[in-house]
Amino acid sequence: GEQVEQRPPHLSVREGDSAVITCTYTDPNSYYFFWYKQEPGASLQLLMKVFSSTEINEGQGFTVLLNKKDKRLSLNLTAAHPGDSAAYFCAVSVTGNTRKLIFGLGTTLQVQP
Amino acid sequence: GGIITQTPKFLIGQEGQKLTLKCQQNFNHDTMYWYRQDSGKGLRLIYYSITENDLQKGDLSEGYDASREKKSSFSLTVTSAQKNEMAVFLCASSIGTGGVSSYEQYFGPGTRLTVL
Repeated sequence: GEQVEQRPPHLSVREGDSAVITCTYTDPNSYYFFWYKQEPGASLQLLMKVFSSTEINEGQGFTVLLNKKDKRLSLNLTAAHPGDSAAYFCAVSVTGNTRKLIFGLGTTLQVQP
Repeated sequence: GGIITQTPKFLIGQEGQKLTLKCQQNFNHDTMYWYRQDSGKGLRLIYYSITENDLQKGDLSEGYDASREKKSSFSLTVTSAQKNEMAVFLCASSIGTGGVSSYEQYFGPGTRLTVL
């Protein structure tokens, strides 16, 4: 079945620096991809979604890129600020109308002022 | 908008005890999920339900029971709590009507379980 590997597990950057979190997946037929943010003590908040057909999506201060050839999904924060400090999880849909997601193990991002 | 409510927020149990966690959503979503979150292990799917009275096992269903009494509620039972167990249980829901809505999940605040 689908497997998702997320890197790095921990990331520390300074305010204003960029930060990149990457997930690789195994099923070439996966179609829906999500990024979730989890602040300390809180639940998961949907940050961004990208479809296999679109490959890129942008939000405030971040970009999600999908490289279907390499089966790689990335979350790029362009200018991190302390409020971005959180755990980030990628999630990949399991094909076959399963309604299931496979989650990466998460990346804990710390942004130093 | 809508909200997912989980009760209790904190649950302390004894070894061997049967413990029940509850989840309510007012999104009118079809599909509901229970995940277990352990430090260093990410989210693992325990049970999910695509409609009222439906139950589907996830990867971690052993040791748990679930019940979807009505569309808006989904309960999880730990059948026999394990000593020194600590985890967060997250409930989620998705519209489930096809396409991305079948996969786009919204999460509740979680129940933190500690077993003494």
